[in-house]
Amino acid sequence: DTEVTQTPKHLVMGMTNKKSLKCEQHMGHRAMYWYKQKAKKPPELMFVYSYEKLSINESVPSRFSPECPNSSLLNLHLHALQPEDSALYLCASRHEGQGNTGELFFGEGSRLTVL
Amino acid sequence: GQQVMQIPQYQHVQEGEDFTTYCNSSTTLSNIQWYKQRPGGHPVFLIQLVKSGEVKKQKRLTFQFGEAKKNSSLHITATQTTDVGTYFCAPRTGANSKLTFGKGITLSVRP
Repeated sequence: DTEVTQTPKHLVMGMTNKKSLKCEQHMGHRAMYWYKQKAKKPPELMFVYSYEKLSINESVPSRFSPECPNSSLLNLHLHALQPEDSALYLCASRHEGQGNTGELFFGEGSRLTVL
Repeated sequence: GQQVMQIPQYQHVQEGEDFTTYCNSSTTLSNIQWYKQRPGGHPVFLIQLVKSGEVKKQKRLTFQFGEAKKNSSLHITATQTTDVGTYFCAPRTGANSKLTFGKGITLSVRP
């Protein structure tokens, strides 16, 4: 079990579809993260939000569009994806007030398949 | 991002054997975290090391941060099948929120 909730758990979409992944946490954390993980690889950082502002974008293609509507929610909007974008998308949160320390709490992930 | 070496990528041990893995950096780190990901699961935080030479223990797991803060080790005493999974180190050098992961080592345990 985790205190970071991700929906949906599984998503299959075509290359012309528009879909969104959602992440929610109620731990009062002000830093939220999106990672992408391919099979047998480490999580790869995509975006970081700090106090609802985008603070890090790891040169992610624009077909991935993050959004942080409030301190508890993080979305990842998907449009015109490619089959190679199929992966596990992990959301994580962290208590921002700890500088560069503090653990990440991960959700269980959304497994995306692009056909 | 920060580059660290975690080798080997896979390790197979007999249940009851000890296991050690290392995370090596070419630059000095501010701190380092370790995570475990079970097959089909998500990464779960294990420990954070901040001070030079720091040693922390969690039951059969011992974590160490090198004196120069460039490497870290994870030692598991008397492995059990519940130790199966991939162990990632996640080093930090700067003051920002960025956290990237090493390639990980996948441990399998033969009962």
